[in-house]
Amino acid sequence: AQSVTQLDSHVSVSEGTPVLLRCNYSSSYSPSLFWYVQHPNKGLQLLLKYTSAATLVKGINGFEAEFKKSETSFHLTKPSAHMSDAAEYFCVVSYSGAGSYQLTFGKGTKLSVIP
Amino acid sequence: SQTIHQWPATLVQPVGSPLSLECTVEGTSNPNLYWYRQAAGRGLQLLFYSVGIGQISSEVPQNLSASRPQDRQFILSSKKLLLSDSGFYLCAWSPLDEQFFGPGTRLTVL
Repeated sequence: AQSVTQLDSHVSVSEGTPVLLRCNYSSSYSPSLFWYVQHPNKGLQLLLKYTSAATLVKGINGFEAEFKKSETSFHLTKPSAHMSDAAEYFCVVSYSGAGSYQLTFGKGTKLSVIP
Repeated sequence: SQTIHQWPATLVQPVGSPLSLECTVEGTSNPNLYWYRQAAGRGLQLLFYSVGIGQISSEVPQNLSASRPQDRQFILSSKKLLLSDSGFYLCAWSPLDEQFFGPGTRLTVL
């Protein structure tokens, strides 16, 4: 069975400082992992995807995530936060079943950026 | 490029009224399609998914139903809405394992 744990429900950073959003996963096989971002009253946007090609994955808007199998982690980082980064972020693991892929979502981390 | 549309964007309905939410995808064929609900404080809940026309799988028992009358059209329906049906409804399509989400429909049941 697959599961995802986002270790912080809320993270607050100052504009221009680094962002770290933590995610641990549990999967019975080599997983596909994703980070999605959701701004208020909007759909989810795919930030980045890990599929075993490289452990450091670069995404959109300056975000990146590192897959660490030994720690079963997939933390999301950004060197310098912008006000526009304030949103909710979801760590997601994918698994296949019944002819389609299903996603297991973490509970989300709300990122606040202080000017 | 592919795009996904949902309508309406917002909806306010009385308890006991019917519901029809529509999702369409452009620029791809035979996508896997998904309906999710996001209720306050409860994360994303998968409601239905479809791997082809007329093929619907339900993930949770409820008073909602889904249909896929055309390859790129996915409809979420209810005959009688409950207060607990309020939430943000998201449609998604998938070419493989990642999913791409529509803009969502905010449903308020009064």
